Amino acid sequence: EIVLTQSPGTLSLSPGERATLSCRASQSVSSVYLAWYQQKPGQAPRLFIYGTSNRATGIPDRFSGSGSGTDFTLTISRLEPEDFAVYYCQQYRSFDVTFGQGTQVEIK
Amino acid sequence: QLQLQESGPGLVKPSETLSLTCSVSGGSISSSSYYWGWLRQPPGKGLEWIGSIFYSGSTYYNPSLKSRVTMSVDTSKNQFSLNLRAVTAADTAFYYCGRQYGGSGMGIEYWGQGTLVTVSS
Repeated sequence: EIVLTQSPGTLSLSPGERATLSCRASQSVSSVYLAWYQQKPGQAPRLFIYGTSNRATGIPDRFSGSGSGTDFTLTISRLEPEDFAVYYCQQYRSFDVTFGQGTQVEIK
Repeated sequence: QLQLQESGPGLVKPSETLSLTCSVSGGSISSSSYYWGWLRQPPGKGLEWIGSIFYSGSTYYNPSLKSRVTMSVDTSKNQFSLNLRAVTAADTAFYYCGRQYGGSGMGIEYWGQGTLVTVSS
């Protein structure tokens, strides 16, 4: 099983600031199979990034993903009030799916 | 617009079987492009994938749950189901169904709203 470790656990930032979220895998992950989700309280997660760097439908371009191998990053260039939420990375390999434990982006 | 809706008991007794169904509308479950999955999230905690099923019935499960999980699909009803046996309090969670798409790197583009299942006597 591939373990995904996200850091930091909590990111305290102000609107307009840049957010950088990290996802580190215990084994190499194909860039095709690395995704990021946003989840707000009381809601199901929403796919934001797939294939490491592809924005899902309707996701604004202030969100970007990058990385390869075992290190992946989600960047929010300028935080908007609606971006404060929990973000999860997820990988797929050989019929196995795992998630990171999440990073909470909170208002400072 | 594709919609998924989970249904099933909200309360299950310890040692019994948790059974949930996901009804799919706005699209066919029989498409060869998608897998259909179950995930869960204990209140206040992170996400855990339970397993996925193809319209043909082929499945793949989380190794940590594999001994207790069975998934099935009913293409005539456009539904797929989850059975989780021998539940304990640790299985208390919000359960979500979702659609995985190979074109999005097996990401889960569509999710049900989730249903809370509590394991308690």
